[in-house]
Amino acid sequence: GAGVSQSPRYKVAKRGQDVALRCDPISGHVSLFWYQQALGQGPEFLTYFQNEAQLDKSGLPSDRFFAERPEGSVSTLKIQRTQQEDSAVYLCASSLPRQGAGDGYTFGSGTRLTVV
Amino acid sequence: GESVGLHLPTLSVQEGDNSIINCAYSNSASDYFIWYKQESGKGPQFIIDIRSNMDKRQGQRVTVLLNKTVKHLSLQIAATQPGDSAVYFCAESYSGGYQKVTFGTGTKLQVIP
Repeated sequence: GAGVSQSPRYKVAKRGQDVALRCDPISGHVSLFWYQQALGQGPEFLTYFQNEAQLDKSGLPSDRFFAERPEGSVSTLKIQRTQQEDSAVYLCASSLPRQGAGDGYTFGSGTRLTVV
Repeated sequence: GESVGLHLPTLSVQEGDNSIINCAYSNSASDYFIWYKQESGKGPQFIIDIRSNMDKRQGQRVTVLLNKTVKHLSLQIAATQPGDSAVYFCAESYSGGYQKVTFGTGTKLQVIP
């Protein structure tokens, strides 16, 4: 497809369950970012990949959060033992190398995670 | 940590009027600023950007102003239309890095027909 695809669009998890969120970036986009957006807030940076290398994971809120991009294309964000405070929209963005964060970034529509 | 913030959480304007959305930033190292529009159920969409060596940039119906002295950004939308109703975020980045973006909390723009 032409855009960044995220799945599932909605996920309801019981507290304590593990979840996996998928991001399909635009073909050829080397850079991939994950953001977390709480209700009524701006997106907050979680982690950054350049190809398969995770170069920055400083935004991951706890060791329950794990992200991977093993072949440098599709990425998965995994949350173990989900808590209610994990409820948010998880956004993925991709870009070509050295492209600006403005129109060089393409965001997906996000996965809305609700932990009950 | 350092972050980008907004003065007004909600702004209501009449259709056809001009809208002004304001933003303050605090990271002196940021040299690139972006405005995004986010509609319900969608990811942020790029509107316009500006680099720190400029103080004004114009696009189609939108203008961004940057005042580095007081660390203030604004987005002006001319002749606001119902399709402009959305949440607007200012964001900052540093061109020397890998383009990580720091977002503010957003302003909801409501256009009254």
